Amino acid sequence: SQTIHQWPATLVQPVGSPLSLECTVEGTSNPNLYWYRQAAGRGLQLLFYSVGIGQISSEVPQNLSASRPQDRQFILSSKKLLLSDSGFYLCAWSVSDYTYEQYFGPGTRLTVT
Amino acid sequence: AQSVTQLGSHVSVSEGALVLLRCNYSSSVPPYLFWYVQYPNQGLQLLLKYTSAATLVKGINDFEAEFKKSETSFHLTKPSAHMSDAAEYFCAVSSYGNNRLAFGKGNQVVVIP
Repeated sequence: SQTIHQWPATLVQPVGSPLSLECTVEGTSNPNLYWYRQAAGRGLQLLFYSVGIGQISSEVPQNLSASRPQDRQFILSSKKLLLSDSGFYLCAWSVSDYTYEQYFGPGTRLTVT
Repeated sequence: AQSVTQLGSHVSVSEGALVLLRCNYSSSVPPYLFWYVQYPNQGLQLLLKYTSAATLVKGINDFEAEFKKSETSFHLTKPSAHMSDAAEYFCAVSSYGNNRLAFGKGNQVVVIP
């Protein structure tokens, strides 16, 4: 069966510090991968998605970036965090078939102080 | 562009009463529709999905939803609410060839004993 992992689970970082969040998927090949952010009271915001290694689409211009160095690994990064980057970050994957339901990881709670 | 509308950010229901969460979608092509549930500090879990087969879809934990094309709706119901149903519920829409989901803003369900 397929599983998705995210780490760390929680993170407290000062403004201006760098960020690296990691997501890995097991049990499937060539998945579509997604990064979302949930800020308090603002629903789910799609940040990036990827259909293959090195292929990243950005949905919202900001100081975050994403990379996919391996087929089942998706990384969210920032060089300098802002207070507004605080939130709950969710990684998700989907099979590249015609239904596109997405399966979510447990999330990372990021607090920028 | 596809979109989903979920009215009423907070929904209160008595234990044992009917749970009804409304979802209306906008799509120029045949939609795929999904309901997700999110418990505090966790990722989203797929409850059920509609992908152009039977219009009445049954999911986990006795939830079901009915696709009504004439009303562009996909409302979620459960006959009898349990305390464990307290969570946030998201409706989402996609379509063939579209590898992104458009999410509604969510309904926070509170179950009153």
